[in-house]
Amino acid sequence: KNQVEQSPQSLIILEGKNCTLQCNYTVSPFSNLRWYKQDTGRGPVSLTIMTFSENTKSNGRYTATLDADTKQSSLHITASQLSDSASYICVVRSTSGTYKYIFGTGTRLKVLA
Amino acid sequence: DAEITQSPRHKITETGRQVTLACHQTWNHNNMFWYRQDLGHGLRLIHYSYGVQDTNKGEVSDGYSVSRSNTEDLPLTLESAASSQTSVYFCASSPLALAGTRTDTQYFGPGTRLTVL
Repeated sequence: KNQVEQSPQSLIILEGKNCTLQCNYTVSPFSNLRWYKQDTGRGPVSLTIMTFSENTKSNGRYTATLDADTKQSSLHITASQLSDSASYICVVRSTSGTYKYIFGTGTRLKVLA
Repeated sequence: DAEITQSPRHKITETGRQVTLACHQTWNHNNMFWYRQDLGHGLRLIHYSYGVQDTNKGEVSDGYSVSRSNTEDLPLTLESAASSQTSVYFCASSPLALAGTRTDTQYFGPGTRLTVL
């Protein structure tokens, strides 16, 4: 069964600290993996996308990694800011079936001053 | 600026009533999607459309319908609202593109919180 699992479910860190969010997937065949940021009361916004051949992608203080062999991805946030408080959703697209996006349940991050 | 909007942002209705949620995008995207988001679940696909007059069922389509009469709009109708349909609904759009390219990014609306009493 195609699944995307994220950990931890929630995380609290102090402003300025780094953190890493995990995403494990069993989706096959694999097309690409995205990380979305979802602020409270808003729709998700794309942060990064990685295809099979890419293993690192950065977007400012956000760095995503992908290990297609172990089917794991991580999102590392450097020097966290209060505005990073949000849910982070991992989404894997399969090449099997059109618009077959599998969404994780997200990690809720809270950054404290 | 191009955008995607949803209305209403909040809706309370009663069991058995018909409800329509609006979605409007100004990007001229071919593809549009409706999802629902519930605690403990990832976003789940309800219906999607590749273009005008095209609609397709997603994984949780029972009790919902859509129609695509123009490029900009994809309204979602709950034929007879049920308490199990209490959720946050997101509309998204994306341009026509090959999978794996940057241009298959989905752009999400702000969501509609629907409560069925």
